[in-house]
Amino acid sequence: GQQLNQSPQSMFIQEGEDVSMNCTSSSIFNTWLWYKQDPGEGPVLLIALYKAGELTSNGRLTAQFGITRKDSFLNISASIPSDVGIYFCAGQYFGNEKLTFGTGTRLTIIP
Amino acid sequence: GAVVSQHPSRVICKSGTSVKIECRSLDFQATTMFWYRQFPKQSLMLMATSNEGSKATYEQGVEKDKFLINHASLTLSTLTVTSAHPEDSSFYICSAETGTGDYGYTFGSGTRLTVV
Repeated sequence: GQQLNQSPQSMFIQEGEDVSMNCTSSSIFNTWLWYKQDPGEGPVLLIALYKAGELTSNGRLTAQFGITRKDSFLNISASIPSDVGIYFCAGQYFGNEKLTFGTGTRLTIIP
Repeated sequence: GAVVSQHPSRVICKSGTSVKIECRSLDFQATTMFWYRQFPKQSLMLMATSNEGSKATYEQGVEKDKFLINHASLTLSTLTVTSAHPEDSSFYICSAETGTGDYGYTFGSGTRLTVV
């Protein structure tokens, strides 16, 4: 099946740094979602975006729905140890229940 | 909030045997549930969409006779991996449409299947 391309594939940062990651698609989505997955767990929703150009925050996390509807961005400010994990974007077409997941960005914090 | 419970969290089975994984919506009714498979260091790949009271819809390339899905009630969907082989070893995750809240999908905590 189709997958969305996420960049970067992995990140190694120091605590307190800001993080930026993005997700791109060859086709348009009507909803963009960002999830975080801890090892051995299911994904947990961080932010949902519903309109092109929309900018939404959830604490230190900010995500944007790209104006072309083919991409989305997630920023994490002032990273802390519990931010470690894998971040997935997911897209959904209008009227289609299914989600298409991105390839994931693995975030590691260097001591 | 909406909670999806998955059981078991880990299972080891012998090659050739069948394994059943349960996905329950604890505090809401779910007419639609989804089953995903995730291999190590890879993304989630949708296997099938489970609809209460009707046959599941499988994604291309997923063998419906090998991965049997039953959604007999509004709170329970099961995935049975039949005649399991080592290549079926994976992390299986379900999600359910809650129909409420900011976004209506909640994921279970996953089942780690190891076939030996």
